[in-house]
Amino acid sequence: QQQVKQSPQSLIVQKGGISIINCAYENTAFDYFPWYQQFPGKGPALLIAIRPDVSEKKEGRFTISFNKSAKQFSLHIMDSQPGDSATYFCAASIFGGGATNKLIFGTGTLLAVQP
Amino acid sequence: DGGITQSPKYLFRKEGQNVTLSCEQNLNHDAMYWYRQDPGQGLRLIYYSQIVNDFQKGDIAEGYSVSREKKESFPLTVTSAQKNPTAFYLCASTGGSDEQYFGPGTRLTVT
Repeated sequence: QQQVKQSPQSLIVQKGGISIINCAYENTAFDYFPWYQQFPGKGPALLIAIRPDVSEKKEGRFTISFNKSAKQFSLHIMDSQPGDSATYFCAASIFGGGATNKLIFGTGTLLAVQP
Repeated sequence: DGGITQSPKYLFRKEGQNVTLSCEQNLNHDAMYWYRQDPGQGLRLIYYSQIVNDFQKGDIAEGYSVSREKKESFPLTVTSAQKNPTAFYLCASTGGSDEQYFGPGTRLTVT
């Protein structure tokens, strides 16, 4: 119940195309869903996050779509650029109301954007 | 600059030796975390601490130990009991919001 399943494992997209990464969860108590971007040898950086009270959140070229009934959420990268080539992780947590936020991570998607 | 620092970036140790990884933050965050990352896997939680002098085991705490004597510091010791210690170790912290910030990581190689 604590798992977050992420797909695909790897993705190749042409420059200018749309990259789509999907995640699914089981625990309906999860109420915070972030996406992280990680470049080789670096720590993950928060890209965008959503709470279950909205179905979509957009920040620049990055959009999270959230389907509460299906327990799924996805990251869409519009107009994908070679600089977007990185590993993307979805995550989920139950925000405890305090400072603790135990994130459960997906296994990651390696995105390669070809010029 | 505010942020999380981890040192060293690369660490090499012989099997059977304990090794301590440093994590410092100047974000004034209460909660700190240690994760382990292996190729093709997500991040797995080792230990976390909500406040000074308090910490809890995560999903893979065996073979690791931590301390939280100061708010800004959360060192991780990889002991000789950890069967497969070679990995990329990430420290993170959280303040009053949901956002969890990560450090640059330490790559530990044990031979």
